[in-house]
Amino acid sequence: QKEVEQNSGPLSVPEGAIASLNCTYSDRGSQSFFWYRQYSGKSPELIMSIYSNGDKEDGRFTAQLNKASQYVSLLIRDSQPSDSATYLCAVRGYGQNFVFGPGTRLSVLP
Amino acid sequence: NAGVTQTPKFQVLKTGQSMTLQCAQDMNHNSMYWYRQDPGMGLRLIYYSASEGTTDKGEVPNGYNVSRLNKREFSLRLESAAPSQTSVYFCASSAADGYTFGSGTRLTVV
Repeated sequence: QKEVEQNSGPLSVPEGAIASLNCTYSDRGSQSFFWYRQYSGKSPELIMSIYSNGDKEDGRFTAQLNKASQYVSLLIRDSQPSDSATYLCAVRGYGQNFVFGPGTRLSVLP
Repeated sequence: NAGVTQTPKFQVLKTGQSMTLQCAQDMNHNSMYWYRQDPGMGLRLIYYSASEGTTDKGEVPNGYNVSRLNKREFSLRLESAAPSQTSVYFCASSAADGYTFGSGTRLTVV
């Protein structure tokens, strides 16, 4: 059973701070890694994908991947109240379906 | 640019009733999926279709059937609804770089 684990939170950070969201996965063969944001009552939307070890930056978002440690993280710089949502980590092996983590609820306090 | 369209958005069923959830995508994706999302459980795969004419079971297929009508449409049927099927259902389609989700169907079985 392939597993993806996340701290369910809630993770509370003050406005303007860095929010750090973490995800671990069990399948060493995993090749693609994604972060989705889901606002309450809405569907998940893709915000970042990462495929190789290291950092990938997109605006205020940075995804970090360490395959040796089976760990992927998402940093949100200058957090805004509009970033308050649940963040889902998803992992995919070659030719396989996505496996989603349970999500971390982030609350950015004004 | 509609993306993935799901209907209905809300539904209340009595135990034992049947219904079909409809999903259509206009992104020319080969793969389509049905997920359910329950509090604390994350997204769980019910069925998927890797291409037109094929369907496969996911993690939680019991009580459901699917039809891949053509490349665009993938429907989910509950033959005899049970209270345990109360959930939010998401359809998704995918390319290699991640899923696009529909807006979801909130189903309550009483």
